[in-house]
Amino acid sequence: DGGITQSPKYLFRKEGQNVTLSCEQNLNHDAMYWYRQDPGQGLRLIYYSQIVNDFQKGDIAEGYSVSREKKESFPLTVTSAQKNPTAFYLCASTIRSGAGPDEQFFGPGTRLTVL
Amino acid sequence: AQSVAQPEDQVNVAEGNPLTVKCTYSVSGNPYLFWYVQYPNRGLQFLLKYITGDNLVKGSYGFEAEFNKSQTSFHLKKPSALVSDSALYFCAVRVANSGNTPLVFGKGTRLSVIA
Repeated sequence: DGGITQSPKYLFRKEGQNVTLSCEQNLNHDAMYWYRQDPGQGLRLIYYSQIVNDFQKGDIAEGYSVSREKKESFPLTVTSAQKNPTAFYLCASTIRSGAGPDEQFFGPGTRLTVL
Repeated sequence: AQSVAQPEDQVNVAEGNPLTVKCTYSVSGNPYLFWYVQYPNRGLQFLLKYITGDNLVKGSYGFEAEFNKSQTSFHLKKPSALVSDSALYFCAVRVANSGNTPLVFGKGTRLSVIA
């Protein structure tokens, strides 16, 4: 899983609560991404950031928020507005922004369960 | 718009037999194509990528993939399957010269190698 850490590995939340998932990388990568994985649906992009203090919505951003105050950190907050948050969340990074052929490196994931 | 299709949800193969996991893509322009593998409750691991040049790309763990522009395909192959190859496999695409935009993933194909 490279130099990307995600914590916690398992997270339980009560309905109506906000929760923040951590993603840290020590790879000195410029770009970072958050994906949601549900069985049979593959990976769906939530948010991504090409540079510090900038980020863009992905395909399913509603009910989520992010920040990118430091190059190595890209936390994801799952808000109470997200109607079905139970899923496996994956953080990824790419060494450069603005150069196309780079692969994404993934963290080990956080499994969020809403009780 | 760019998209990836993995037409098989599940592929079963006997140990020692060759395996193929299929992927087709749709992009406006030239593609960068990627294969990843995921073991249970883990992040995705990069296997190989096609950028340009030789249509046959060799990657990790004995896997290879063949880029076919006329058929818009990028099938993953291995000459002799191992039980340890059993996992979930994802194909992904990015349009060349589009900057480091996020990868678009297929829904995944579950490979089961039977001893």
